Amino acid sequence: EVQVLESGGGLVQPGESLTLSCAVSGFPFINFAITWFRQPPGKGLEWVSTVSATGTKTYHADSVQGRFTVSKDTSKNTVDLQMKSLRVEDTAVYYCARDDGLSYFDFWGPGTLVTVSS
Amino acid sequence: EIVLTQSPATLSLSPGERATLSCRASEYLTNYLAWYQQKPGQPPRLLIYDAFKRASGTPSRFSGSGSGTEYTLTISSLEPEDFAVYYCQQRANWPRLTFGGGTKVEIK
Repeated sequence: EVQVLESGGGLVQPGESLTLSCAVSGFPFINFAITWFRQPPGKGLEWVSTVSATGTKTYHADSVQGRFTVSKDTSKNTVDLQMKSLRVEDTAVYYCARDDGLSYFDFWGPGTLVTVSS
Repeated sequence: EIVLTQSPATLSLSPGERATLSCRASEYLTNYLAWYQQKPGQPPRLLIYDAFKRASGTPSRFSGSGSGTEYTLTISSLEPEDFAVYYCQQRANWPRLTFGGGTKVEIK
């Protein structure tokens, strides 16, 4: 059974840092890219970052470029999202999801809430 | 960035009725479009990919159609569990994936 689970969310102040983690199981981790999305409360979905299947290539949305870093640990089956210089507008539920190979997303975690507020 | 515009924002229907949701793109998508269903407190669920292909477990009452810049999700006969928010997502401009703003299907 495929399982995806995010952790690490919480309340931080503007300018602070936070690292989210996505733990996956039930499929060959090295064969699938993983993507982070976010959803501000009551709003729509936004692509944040993608790490390739092997972990050698990463991509970030312009809104987080230079502040967020995504990485894949194939020995632990985890994907981390390091977030620095957090802003109020980064407040959202953050989801990680498995790329099915066609850049659609067939398995999602339940999400973790990040709140940036003073 | 490819902008996806969904309409209507809200659709008020009764169980058993037909739902027609629209997604219009600012550029040609070459059918690289998916539809997701999201219920409160849950992550999105993939329903349709490549414009008309049903994902594993998607009931046959859900169908996708369209081409170019205009795409449609149709629910032939609404079941109680279908009342939710629906999003379209494009991958034509990978990795810069974008979503539409969503259509809420609510009980009339």
